[in-house]
Amino acid sequence: QQQVKQSPQSLIVQKGGISIINCAYENTAFDYFPWYQQFPGKGPALLIAIRPDVSEKKEGRFTISFNKSAKQFSLHIMDSQPGDSATYFCAASNTGSARQLTFGSGTQLTVLP
Amino acid sequence: NAGVTQTPKFQVLKTGQSMTLQCAQDMNHNSMYWYRQDPGMGLRLIYYSASEGTTDKGEVPNGYNVSRLNKREFSLRLESAAPSQTSVYFCASSETWEVGHTIYFGEGSWLTVV
Repeated sequence: QQQVKQSPQSLIVQKGGISIINCAYENTAFDYFPWYQQFPGKGPALLIAIRPDVSEKKEGRFTISFNKSAKQFSLHIMDSQPGDSATYFCAASNTGSARQLTFGSGTQLTVLP
Repeated sequence: NAGVTQTPKFQVLKTGQSMTLQCAQDMNHNSMYWYRQDPGMGLRLIYYSASEGTTDKGEVPNGYNVSRLNKREFSLRLESAAPSQTSVYFCASSETWEVGHTIYFGEGSWLTVV
């Protein structure tokens, strides 16, 4: 049972463009939504995270948009750069008994120079 | 800046063989985790240790055992490897088990079972 659905599976964007990755969740108990970035041959690293009490969080060129009623959240990468080429994972967890992170299936982003 | 270190990096096993993946963190973290990563499936939690002396099953524990040797070290053992266990394994740690604490991942161990 996939509790966090991520799309698209792959994304190609021109340098300077906007990259958008979407995730949808089913468990209404989720209350923490991080995004991880993974380069080839490396482990995932936390990029940015949001709690559901805000609708948007921005850190540099990276923004999370959160829609609690639709149970969706997305990552926007502004002015995408070739160095942003990586696999991005959304995730979700809750502060209740099941505090495990549930990951999406990943999006492979390629930013063309 | 070692962070989370896991060994070996690559391993090929024959079906039925056993092996242990080693993991150590130098950040004085209380919680440690083992994940597996398969194409198109993201990362799935195998086992975790919320604090030294405790271990619990995650989403996909079958076929694995773990040992929290001390606060720094958390090992994953495959007693009788199967081809379905071919995967990339990641050890990770966080300051505590509480939601919101950053989870730091190692660089992964590529395991092939033939």
